[in-house]
Amino acid sequence: QAVVTQEASLTVSPGGTVTLTCGSSTGAVTSGHYPYWFQQKPGQAPRTLVYDTTNKHSWTPARFSGSLLGGKAALTLSGAQPEDEAEYYCLLSYGGAVIFGGGTKLTVL
Amino acid sequence: QVQLQESGPGLVKPSGTLSLTCAVSGGSISSSNWWSWVRQPPGKGLEWIGEVYHSGTTHYDPSLKSRVTMSVDKSKNQFSLRLSSVTAADTAVYYCAKLDGGGYWGQGTLVTVSS
Repeated sequence: QAVVTQEASLTVSPGGTVTLTCGSSTGAVTSGHYPYWFQQKPGQAPRTLVYDTTNKHSWTPARFSGSLLGGKAALTLSGAQPEDEAEYYCLLSYGGAVIFGGGTKLTVL
Repeated sequence: QVQLQESGPGLVKPSGTLSLTCAVSGGSISSSNWWSWVRQPPGKGLEWIGEVYHSGTTHYDPSLKSRVTMSVDKSKNQFSLRLSSVTAADTAVYYCAKLDGGGYWGQGTLVTVSS
C-alpha cells in the first residue's frame, strides 16, 4: 500500500507565504491521483479547501491555491492569517483506494 | 449542496460490533459518487476506512477489510458502516464523507470502545 507524505510541521509569519506538499511513495503525484486538501481545526470536522488538484469551493479563501509542484501535490497559502493556523491533510486516490497524508501542523507566528 | 449526518451508539463493548449510519440530504445517494467512512483516533490523523457506491460495490482499507462492511439504503438515502470485533484501538471520531466530487463531510461522531 502506498504511503502519502506531508511535512510534519511548518511555520509562517503573518502575511507570509508557505507551501505544503503531498508526496506519494509510488512516484510522482499526478492529476490522476485527484489530490485533495483539507483544513482541520481542533474539535472540528475537516473542511475541504481544494479538490482535484486545483479546484476550490466557494468557502475557500482566495489566499489558498492548489497545484502540482516537483512531482508532488502542493497547497500554497499566500498572505497567511492567524486563523489559518490549523492541521492540513492531503488525500490521494489510487484507483479504489484512498490514502490520507499524516498531516501538516501549520503555525502562524 | 449535500449534507451528511452520522448517527449511532457512542459506546461499544470490546469484541462487539460498531454500527453507524450516515443520512444524506441535499442530494441523492444514487448519484455517481462514492460514499466514504473516515475515522480519527484521539490526537491522531485521518484514516480512510472505505467507500461504497450506490450499486453496493465497495472498497475497503486492506488493514480493516476483514472486519468492515458498508452498505447503502436507497429508500432512506443513507449508507452504513459496520466494524466487527472492535478493540480499544477502534476508539475514534468517525466521519462519513463524500470524498469525490468536491469533498463533503459530516460533523463526526465519537465512538468509544470500552466495557
